[in-house]
Amino acid sequence: QSVLTQPPSVSGAPGQRVTISCTGNSSNIGAGFDVHWYQQFPETAPKLLISVNINRPSGVPDRFSGSKSGTSASLAITGLQAEDEADYYCQSYDSSLSGVVFGGGTKLTVL
Amino acid sequence: QVQLVESGGGVVQPGRSLRLSCAASRFTFSSYGMHWVRQAPGKGLEWVAVIWFDGSNKKYADSVKGRFTISRDNSKNTLYLQMNSLRAEDTAVYYCAREYDSNGYPPSLDPWGQGTLVTVSS
Repeated sequence: QSVLTQPPSVSGAPGQRVTISCTGNSSNIGAGFDVHWYQQFPETAPKLLISVNINRPSGVPDRFSGSKSGTSASLAITGLQAEDEADYYCQSYDSSLSGVVFGGGTKLTVL
Repeated sequence: QVQLVESGGGVVQPGRSLRLSCAASRFTFSSYGMHWVRQAPGKGLEWVAVIWFDGSNKKYADSVKGRFTISRDNSKNTLYLQMNSLRAEDTAVYYCAREYDSNGYPPSLDPWGQGTLVTVSS
């Protein structure tokens, strides 16, 4: 059971916009710790998608965007494409656990 | 481009030990903090450990504290994870990852290695 809660799955049609939430508490996101997002395809290593809440590393399409407010963060994907079908994870830090924490992951299905 | 290659995984009996290695190339290894992250079959990501760029500080997840030791040899551009007293629940793909952006806290991680599978079974 992760301290960062993500919906197990989300779906959307090509061209649509989807959001993935990452809900924490006052020991992690709410304490001001930053949130990062990763994309993982089956049988491959995760790839950094959003760094420090809102920043896209070089090469990441601007269809991906991140936000953070209060005890939650969100990843938005606009203009959904079939190639976006993957698992997505949020990451932050928890002061109660004194360590890095990941969300449980969200499987995105493109209908 | 920047590359991380893990090795050392395999099948090991409960209670035994295993050492993983992560060979880094095409970046100044000694300038970056490094992490181990694992993923049990069909499950999500679980952070395991971090070591500072110079090896001066190390932190561990509660699930591995006292059993696993992270270390590095900056002269060999290599990261290690010594795993002792292995349990069935340690079965996972183990990834090494470099800190990408240390302006935030915690630092984000990129790139990641391809992973090495550790199976703990009798």
